[in-house]
Amino acid sequence: DAKTTQPPSMDCAEGRAANLPCNHSTISGNEYVYWYRQIHSQGPQYIIHGLKNNETNEMASLIITEDRKSSTLILPHATLRDTAVYYCTATAGGTSYGKLTFGQGTILTVHP
Amino acid sequence: GAVVSQHPSRVICKSGTSVKIECRSLDFQATTMFWYRQFPKKSLMLMATSNEGSKATYEQGVEKDKFLINHASLTLSTLTVTSAHPEDSSFYICSASATLDQPQHFGDGTRLSIL
Repeated sequence: DAKTTQPPSMDCAEGRAANLPCNHSTISGNEYVYWYRQIHSQGPQYIIHGLKNNETNEMASLIITEDRKSSTLILPHATLRDTAVYYCTATAGGTSYGKLTFGQGTILTVHP
Repeated sequence: GAVVSQHPSRVICKSGTSVKIECRSLDFQATTMFWYRQFPKKSLMLMATSNEGSKATYEQGVEKDKFLINHASLTLSTLTVTSAHPEDSSFYICSASATLDQPQHFGDGTRLSIL
C-alpha cells in the first residue's frame, strides 16, 4: 500500500488559493489518489480523486505529477469553512483493493 | 447524493454493556462498507471491511469477537462492540462505497464513551 506524506499544518488567507501537497512516491500503477477532509467531530468528506490526469470538480482541483509520486490539492478560493484536516490517501491494490490508509493529514487553517 | 447515515451519534454507557452502531447508505447500494475508529487528535484507523452477505475482514490486531460486524443488506451494516470497557471509548466511523473503484462516503461518526 502506498504511504503518503503531508505537511502537518498550513495556513491560508481567506479568498486566496490553498495548495496542499502530498508525497506518495511508493504509489503503484493502479492506485488512485484520494483526498478527504475532516472537520472537527465529523466524518471525513470526500473531495476529489484521480489516477494520472489532473482533475477538477466543484470543490477543488487535483494536480498529479507525471511520475505520480506527488500531488497537490488546490482550493481555489479558500473560505473560513475550509478549515479542516486534509487527508491524502491512496487506494490499496491487490487483495486490499479499495481500502484506504489514512496518514496524519494536514491541518489547514484559513484565517480572515 | 452519496449520503451515509450513522446512528447513534453519541453513546454513553456502563462498562460491560454491548453497543450496536448502525451505518446506512441512504441513496445508493453499498456492496462494501468499512469501519474505522479514531482516537483524539489521531488519524482514522481501519478496523474491518464489511461485504454484503459475507463475513467481515478484520485488520490485524482487531478482535473479531469483540467487534461484531453484520452486513445483511446492501444498505445496512452494523458494528456491535461487545462487553465494552473504558478502553473501547473512541470515535467510530463507517464508510460505504457502491463499488471498490468508487469513492468511499463517510457517516458522521459515533462517539462512544464507556464509564
